[in-house]
Amino acid sequence: GAVVSQHPSWVICKSGTSVKIECRSLDFQATTMFWYRQFPKQSLMLMATSNEGSKATYEQGVEKDKFLINHASLTLSTLTVTSAHPEDSSFYICSASPPTGRMGSPLHFGNGTRLTVT
Amino acid sequence: AQTVTQSQPEMSVQEAETVTLSCTYDTSESDYYLFWYKQPPSRQMILVIRQEAYKQQNATENRFSVNFQKAAKSFSLKISDSQLGDAAMYFCAYSKSGTYKYIFGTGTRLKVLA
Repeated sequence: GAVVSQHPSWVICKSGTSVKIECRSLDFQATTMFWYRQFPKQSLMLMATSNEGSKATYEQGVEKDKFLINHASLTLSTLTVTSAHPEDSSFYICSASPPTGRMGSPLHFGNGTRLTVT
Repeated sequence: AQTVTQSQPEMSVQEAETVTLSCTYDTSESDYYLFWYKQPPSRQMILVIRQEAYKQQNATENRFSVNFQKAAKSFSLKISDSQLGDAAMYFCAYSKSGTYKYIFGTGTRLKVLA
């Protein structure tokens, strides 16, 4: 149980185009989802927190107009990288708050999306 | 601001031996959670073990155990009887009570030698 599906697993896009990444909680409802970015051989950096039905909260230094996050339902959050540039190439990972609602319960992570902008 | 530090970029261990990965953190909170996650080459984040700060007893999960020193703000992971499948990046993470926001350390790459 508590599976988080992320799609696509990898995507290549041309510079200037936009790409959407989906994060779905398959068998539970996730009130809160998190989006992380991971550069090669580096740690996961939190980009934003998305709550169902409200605007996402972005971490300092993350451009909200570039990384559009939508959390329209309790099972789906999307990250859209707008006007992508090569420096946006990275590994993006989503996670969802656990269904138990008990604080301290571990997050459930998607498999990640490798974005390459050419 | 809370920070998590992993001072060992890379560690090696012989198969069947024991290895300890270090993690220190800084926080002014008294109630929080600590986690160790494993990230194999597939990049999937896998929970290894978690510790609740209000519990003095160190968490254990089969071959994995932690040494939680709250006063020293230290949270090390011990892997016993290391297996080839343990080879991965290991991340230490902190979460303040009342939030699911994780702060990750920089990671330690563990190599297991046959």
